[in-house]
Amino acid sequence: DAEITQSPRHKITETGRQVTLACHQTWNHNNMFWYRQDLGHGLRLIHYSYGVQDTNKGEVSDGYSVSRSNTEDLPLTLESAASSQTSVYFCASSPRQGSEAFFGQGTRLTVV
Amino acid sequence: AQTVTQSQPEMSVQEAETVTLSCTYDTSENNYYLFWYKQPPSRQMILVIRQEAYKQQNATENRFSVNFQKAAKSFSLKISDSQLGDTAMYFCAFWGGSEKLVFGKGTKLTVNP
Repeated sequence: DAEITQSPRHKITETGRQVTLACHQTWNHNNMFWYRQDLGHGLRLIHYSYGVQDTNKGEVSDGYSVSRSNTEDLPLTLESAASSQTSVYFCASSPRQGSEAFFGQGTRLTVV
Repeated sequence: AQTVTQSQPEMSVQEAETVTLSCTYDTSENNYYLFWYKQPPSRQMILVIRQEAYKQQNATENRFSVNFQKAAKSFSLKISDSQLGDTAMYFCAFWGGSEKLVFGKGTKLTVNP
């Protein structure tokens, strides 16, 4: 079955380190998204992509970057991890605008 | 840019009763899509219902239905015959025009036995 997977599921890292969270989908969806979920803030959009080589900033993009070199993957990089980036991160994909978005299981990142 | 507002951080309902979760949004787009997602304690995000703005008829999925008021920019979710398994966070979401998929802050719903 087609799916969307995130790795790792849990990660602890130190302040200042570079961290990359992986997101891989096998549906061949054009649209992919990264969100962070924090108590009291809901899901906030970090970056999104509508196709290969396309990337766009969301509302909380500072300190994060993405690249889209193929349809299946949208890795999220924290350039220099900060304690404020401790959160649960969700990746999602969707075939077209307005259609259902399918979510990965989430990655819990702790920056110490 | 569009915004999505869920004004009820927490709600509770007795099993078998009906509850309504509210959502309002702000947009200048005319064609867009609205969603309700459920997030149980497992953390998995699950689509509950989807509404296309150009359709006047309110979407319904079994015990879940919406009251879509386009002029008022309101999109509430009604859960009938509430079940213990409905206990979850519920997120309202918007996707329209040239904009991206954005979510509200969520409403934590507890169904009591």
